[in-house]
Amino acid sequence: DADVTQTPRNRITKTGKRIMLECSQTKGHDRMYWYRQDPGLGLRLIYYSFDVKDINKGEISDGYSVSRQAQAKFSLSLESAIPNQTALYFCATSDPPLNEQFFGPGTRLTVL
Amino acid sequence: AQTVTQSQPEMSVQEAETVTLSCTYDTSESDYYLFWYKQPPSRQMILVIRQEAYKQQNATENRFSVNFQKAAKSFSLKISDSQLGDAAMYFCAYRAYSGGSNYKLTFGKGTLLTVNP
Repeated sequence: DADVTQTPRNRITKTGKRIMLECSQTKGHDRMYWYRQDPGLGLRLIYYSFDVKDINKGEISDGYSVSRQAQAKFSLSLESAIPNQTALYFCATSDPPLNEQFFGPGTRLTVL
Repeated sequence: AQTVTQSQPEMSVQEAETVTLSCTYDTSESDYYLFWYKQPPSRQMILVIRQEAYKQQNATENRFSVNFQKAAKSFSLKISDSQLGDAAMYFCAYRAYSGGSNYKLTFGKGTLLTVNP
């Protein structure tokens, strides 16, 4: 089984809809991250969490929110989706001190 | 703020040949990590190789090696004996070694590598 899983793998939704992307991990890591990938822009950090009670904004958090339900679960929500949120979304985990990040398989989100 | 630049949006190589992907970065830190990630059509982000800035020796992983030039802030990836399975998007990334931002990966925009049979 994969160490970091994301659901759904693909999603098409309409403008204005609320959508949640979920991430689960079995690596036992405290730190979890959400990234967004756009063509020609690389990956950019949306939110990160160092533990269940510690959630922080990344460089592009506007229009997104997150919830850390447990050490192993970190969800990303779009309260009112808009077309420019169409992208590939990655969840990742890490643990200090090395902090090597392990990525999930990604969720491709299309907002029409 | 740290920045990572990949100046080659696309590269191509013949199967069995060698190709080098370029990456430059900007930082005021003295200790940090540099990475190359591979993203094949499956979308999975796969760590290819890691370099610690305090190590002078260039990292190698089988057919993959880096040329790390700390003074020039350059970190290129060399793929030897290229295989069809090497075709992918390659991302260069930076992370601080310690301090408050040592969790954060800063990515370049990627280089799309095509391998021709």
